[in-house]
Formats: sequence, C-alpha cells, structure tokens
Amino acid sequence: QKEVEQNSGPLSVPEGAIASLNCTYSDRGSQSFFWYRQYSGKSPELIMFIYSNGDKEDGRFTAQLNKASQYVSLLIRDSQPSDSATYLCAVKGDNFGNEKLTFGTGTRLTIIP
Amino acid sequence: GAGVSQTPSNKVTEKGKYVELRCDPISGHTALYWYRQSLGQGPEFLIYFQGTGAADDSGLPNDRFFAVRPEGSVSTLKIQRTERGDSAVYLCASSLLSVGDTQYFGPGTRLTVL
Repeated sequence: QKEVEQNSGPLSVPEGAIASLNCTYSDRGSQSFFWYRQYSGKSPELIMFIYSNGDKEDGRFTAQLNKASQYVSLLIRDSQPSDSATYLCAVKGDNFGNEKLTFGTGTRLTIIP
Repeated sequence: GAGVSQTPSNKVTEKGKYVELRCDPISGHTALYWYRQSLGQGPEFLIYFQGTGAADDSGLPNDRFFAVRPEGSVSTLKIQRTERGDSAVYLCASSLLSVGDTQYFGPGTRLTVL
C-alpha cells in the first residue's frame, strides 16, 4: 500500500463548478498535510496546508482533514481554466525531526471552459 | 524576496559520468531538502539538511548519491557513475524549520542520462 494515495485522474470539471480532490494516507501519526499545485514543466507551488481536523478556507480553496479516516481533500470553488494543473497531496511525519514530505502521485485536473 | 534557485536548469550527460546539481535556498531558511521527481510521479524525498548537517539521508537510493551543504546555505547534490535510471527532475526546497513551516520549491534541474 502506498503511503499517500491519490486518484491520478484526469479529472475534468466545467468552468465555474467545484473541483474536489481527494487523498488518503497510511501513517496514522502524520500531523501536517499540504496541497501543492504543479503546472506542466514547473515545480510544485504550495496552495494550502492543514494540521487540525475540519475545514480550512483560503479564497476559493478549502482543505478538509479527517484524521480518524486518514483522509484529506481540497475543494476548489468557481473553477477557472487557470486551475488546470496537477495537484499533489503531501504528508509530513509525526515528530519533530521527521521533516520529509511524502507525496502522492498527483491528480491531474482539467477545467473545461 | 528571491526564491529557491537551482542550477543548471537542464543537464544532459552520458552514462557513467559524474554530475553536480546546485541549490541556493531562500535567504534565512535553515532547512534544505532534495527531492527527485520522475515523469507522472510525485516528488520523492532524497535528503534533508538542518544547517550544515544531513539530518535525514534515508531517501538517497545508493552510495552513488551524495549531498553537501558546507556553510549551511548552498547545497550540492553529487551523482557518481550516472545511470539512465537517474534521469529525472531534481527538486530542491527550503524552509524555516519552525513548527508548521512549509517547504518552498525551486524550479528544478532536469537531468537526462543518455
């Protein structure tokens, strides 16, 4: 079982709709969760991070974390063509000193005008 | 301020050759990370520095890979006797290493081993 799992997609969403991206992780002790956006040929760019159960909103983006279910998601409201990219879920370990990020394979999102 | 920079942006080498990849982190960031990303995959952790020392090198695939950060700023990833399987984008990231800090990535070096 992979440590961080994402549906590779592609996920196609009409412009203006809500895009929902999901991620599950295997290490129950994980504490920090990150969503990165990666455009083709570019490096990952941080979108959001979340540490506590529940929702965290930042503009059109909402991250949701459920530690009991080992599940984290990213919602993108009012999707725009510029949101078309690969979204990487990353998880950081359970103790200080374990700083590496473990990434999923990413979900490729396409916003259809 | 300036972000993480990496040089070269592209490197083409022949199998068996030695390569060095450089990373210049964000000023003031004490932690520096190297990842490798193959096509269609997420970044894969290689090594992490806290200051000058390697705090975690568990991701280095074998002893052909080595990294240094002698003055706690710029880091060099060194690959000996390159193999075709080493072809990937090598990403560097840096962070402040505080509770809840985030890692900011450089543009990467695309390594192609012929």
